[in-house]
Amino acid sequence: GENVEQHPSTLSVQEGDSAVIKCTYSDSASNYFPWYKQELGKRPQLIIDIRSNVGEKKDQRIAVTLNKTAKHFSLHITETQPEDSAVYFCAASPMDSSYKLIFGSGTRLLVRP
Amino acid sequence: DAMVIQNPRYQVTQFGKPVTLSCSQTLNHNVMYWYQQKSSQAPKLLFHYYDKDFNNEADTPDNFQSRRPNTSFCFLDIRSPGLGDAAMYLCATSRGLVNTEAFFGQGTRLTVV
Repeated sequence: GENVEQHPSTLSVQEGDSAVIKCTYSDSASNYFPWYKQELGKRPQLIIDIRSNVGEKKDQRIAVTLNKTAKHFSLHITETQPEDSAVYFCAASPMDSSYKLIFGSGTRLLVRP
Repeated sequence: DAMVIQNPRYQVTQFGKPVTLSCSQTLNHNVMYWYQQKSSQAPKLLFHYYDKDFNNEADTPDNFQSRRPNTSFCFLDIRSPGLGDAAMYLCATSRGLVNTEAFFGQGTRLTVV
């Protein structure tokens, strides 16, 4: 089955700097890759997603890139702000069950003011 | 505006004493999921329902059961909780179409004493 690895497990950046979180997946047939943000004590919420027919997607300060050949995808946050501090999870949707999500282990992002 | 509601937020149960966690949704989504999330780990899918069809993950222990009496409600039953079952349990829903967003509840943190 699908396996998703996520790095780094923790990331500390200065406010205004960029943050990059990387994930790799094992099932080459996976075709949907969402990113969820989980603030302390709150539910995970979708922040951006990408499908396998595109290589990059951007939404204001957040962008996601996908390299299907290498089976990895990354989350890029520019001009980070303290409110970006949270745990970020990547996920992949296996082709054989397109409404299941297999999650990475999470990255705790701390943005220092 | 809560759309996926989990009760209770915190649950303490005794070793071996059956416990039930509940989840309700106002989204009328076809799919409901139960994830187990242990500290600093990825959410792990236990099982999901597509309408009334139950789908168990291969590595989900027999100790975990689920019921979905109607579209809105789904229950997680742990028949004989062990210390290793202490975790955050997340309920989520999705429309069940290809590659659609999962909406999470805030989770129930289970402690086994």
